[in-house]
Amino acid sequence: EVQLVESGGGLVKPGGSLRVSCAASGLTFSGYSLNWVRQAPGKGLEWVSFISSSSEYIYYADSVRGRFTVSRDNAKKSLYLQMNSLRAEDTAIYYCATLYCSTTSCHYGGFGPWGQGTLVTVSS
Amino acid sequence: QSALTQPASVSGSPGQSITISCTGTSSDIGAYNYVSWYQQHPGKAPKLIIYDVNNRPSGVSDRFSGSKSGNTASLTISGLQAEDEADYYCSSKGPSSTLYVFGTGTNVTVL
Repeated sequence: EVQLVESGGGLVKPGGSLRVSCAASGLTFSGYSLNWVRQAPGKGLEWVSFISSSSEYIYYADSVRGRFTVSRDNAKKSLYLQMNSLRAEDTAIYYCATLYCSTTSCHYGGFGPWGQGTLVTVSS
Repeated sequence: QSALTQPASVSGSPGQSITISCTGTSSDIGAYNYVSWYQQHPGKAPKLIIYDVNNRPSGVSDRFSGSKSGNTASLTISGLQAEDEADYYCSSKGPSSTLYVFGTGTNVTVL
C-alpha cells in the first residue's frame, strides 16, 4: 500500500523558517513526480509546488516563489519543502501528493495518493 | 492565476443525480485535458475521483463521471448516496508560470 506521511509542521513567527517533510513507502519513489498542496483553515485547496522524479523540473505558485524551495532525496524516499520568510497567510495544512499513476502510465491530470497533511501556523 | 470557479453548494436527494460545474479560461481548462476532481470529507485528505477529465482511478465508484466543454468542466454524481456528502474540488493544469490551479470548492449536501 502506498503511504505518504508529512511531518515538520508547527508554530513559527512571521518572517521565520520551517522545513516540512514527506516520507513515502510502498512505491518506487524515484519514479514519481510530486506536489505540495496547502489548505488554509476552512478554505480551499491551493497548489504550491511540483518537482519531477529526477528534480529536473521544478515549479512554484506565484504566492510562494522566491520564498519556498522544494527538494527530494530519492535514496531516502523523501520530499521536502523549505519555507522561508513565512507570512500569516502561509498558515495551512500542507499535503504532499504524487501525480496519479495507473498501471500503464503516470498522468499530469490528477494527484493521488495524498498524505494526511501537516499543519503550519505562522503567528506571533 | 485565479482559482477556477465552482458553485459554493449543491444539494440533492438520495438516488438523484447532481452536476458540479468548474469554470476556467482558455489558459487552463480550455487548453489542456488535465482536469481532475477530488472529494474531501471533513478532517480528511482529498481523494482523487476523476483524472484527465473523465477517467476514474481504480476503486472509485462508477457513479462519478467527468466531462469538459470549452472552458468548463463538470462532475456528475449519479445515484446520490449519504456518503457522497463532502466537499468537491476541481483542478486543471494551467500556464507554465502556475502549473496547476484548483477550483473554489463545492459543498455537496444529501437531503
